[in-house]
Amino acid sequence: GENVEQHPSTLSVQEGDSAVIKCTYSDSASNYFPWYKQELGKGPQLIIDIRSNVGEKKDQRIAVTLNKTAKHFSLHITETQPEDSAVYFCAASWGGGSNYKLTFGKGTLLTVNP
Amino acid sequence: KAGVTQTPRYLIKTRGQQVTLSCSPISGHRSVSWYQQTPGQGLQFLFEYFSETQRNKGNFPGRFSGRQFSNSRSEMNVSTLELGDSALYLCASGGDSTDTQYFGPGTRLTVL
Repeated sequence: GENVEQHPSTLSVQEGDSAVIKCTYSDSASNYFPWYKQELGKGPQLIIDIRSNVGEKKDQRIAVTLNKTAKHFSLHITETQPEDSAVYFCAASWGGGSNYKLTFGKGTLLTVNP
Repeated sequence: KAGVTQTPRYLIKTRGQQVTLSCSPISGHRSVSWYQQTPGQGLQFLFEYFSETQRNKGNFPGRFSGRQFSNSRSEMNVSTLELGDSALYLCASGGDSTDTQYFGPGTRLTVL
């Protein structure tokens, strides 16, 4: 089955700096890669996603890049703010809308220091 | 649109008991998936229901079961609870023909 590795497990940055979280996946059939942000006491919140026919996607301060050949994808957060502090999860799945089984990475605890 | 709702938010049970958790998906969504989140194992897929049928299943013992009703609301049941079942149980809702899933706040289950 699919296996997703996520690094680093913890990341501490100064406010205003950039943060990068990287994930690798094992199943070349995977074609959907979402990122979730989870704050304490809450469920994961979808922040951005990318599909295999796209190499990069941006949404304001957040961007995701995908390298299908190398089977890795990354989350980039620019101009970090204290409210970005949370646990971030990457995930992978396949199926084009008929398979909802997400395989998650172990998560990255991001701390943004004021 | 209202988001995914899960009830109850917190539960305390003792070993050997059984428990039922409930999830109401986003209006119009027919897919409901369940995940278990623990500090050690992270987020793990339990099963997914679509139009009252289980479509996918993860690697959990038969003590974990679920069902979905005609209004797309779903329940999951865990029988003969073990200490290791203590976890945050998350429900995710998905629309037709899309991989995108939206999570609820979760039910925190503690087994004593």
